[in-house]
Amino acid sequence: DQQVKQNSPSLSVQEGRISILNCDYTNSMFDYFLWYKKYPAEGPTFLISISSIKDKNEDGRFTVFLNKSAKHLSLHIVPSQPGDSAVYFCAASGTGANSKLTFGKGITLSVRP
Amino acid sequence: KAGVTQTPRYLIKTRGQQVTLSCSPISGHRSVSWYQQTPGQGLQFLFEYFSETQRNKGNFPGRFSGRQFSNSRSEMNVSTLELGDSALYLCASSPRDRDGETQYFGPGTRLLVL
Repeated sequence: DQQVKQNSPSLSVQEGRISILNCDYTNSMFDYFLWYKKYPAEGPTFLISISSIKDKNEDGRFTVFLNKSAKHLSLHIVPSQPGDSAVYFCAASGTGANSKLTFGKGITLSVRP
Repeated sequence: KAGVTQTPRYLIKTRGQQVTLSCSPISGHRSVSWYQQTPGQGLQFLFEYFSETQRNKGNFPGRFSGRQFSNSRSEMNVSTLELGDSALYLCASSPRDRDGETQYFGPGTRLLVL
């Protein structure tokens, strides 16, 4: 049973436009959510996170929105740049014994110049 | 601070052999987690070590084991390798003084089993 789902395997956007990457989860015990970016042959790089007590967190061009009632979060990248082209993973964790990270399968973002 | 380092970066083994992968966490980080990444399954959690004790474990067979040393460095061992063990093995570290702390990943070890 996949507890973190990234239903779209890929997304292509024009440079300068907004990229919206979506993620859904099923486990109501999750209370901490993260986005990682991964280039080929490298480990994932932490981008931004949000705890369940918030509904929005912003860091530069990156904003994460959390809708707990819908068990949905999204990552907005504005404006998108060609260097943003990578695989983006959504991850979630709970507390204590549930504190391990559970990842989605990732979405490949391509930003066209 | 130096990032998470993993050695070796690439490894080729044959079925039935065993392999040991090494991970050095960011200085001061006491938690080390291991993940397996395959094209079909994404990143899957193997186990987490904190202060030399396994604190969490994923759904992998007993052929996968690990340990952590007093300096927080960790090793992961896979015995009796199978073709399906070919994957990118990632190590991540965090302070883990509290829940929800971000994990920082190393570059990974790419294992190919022939």
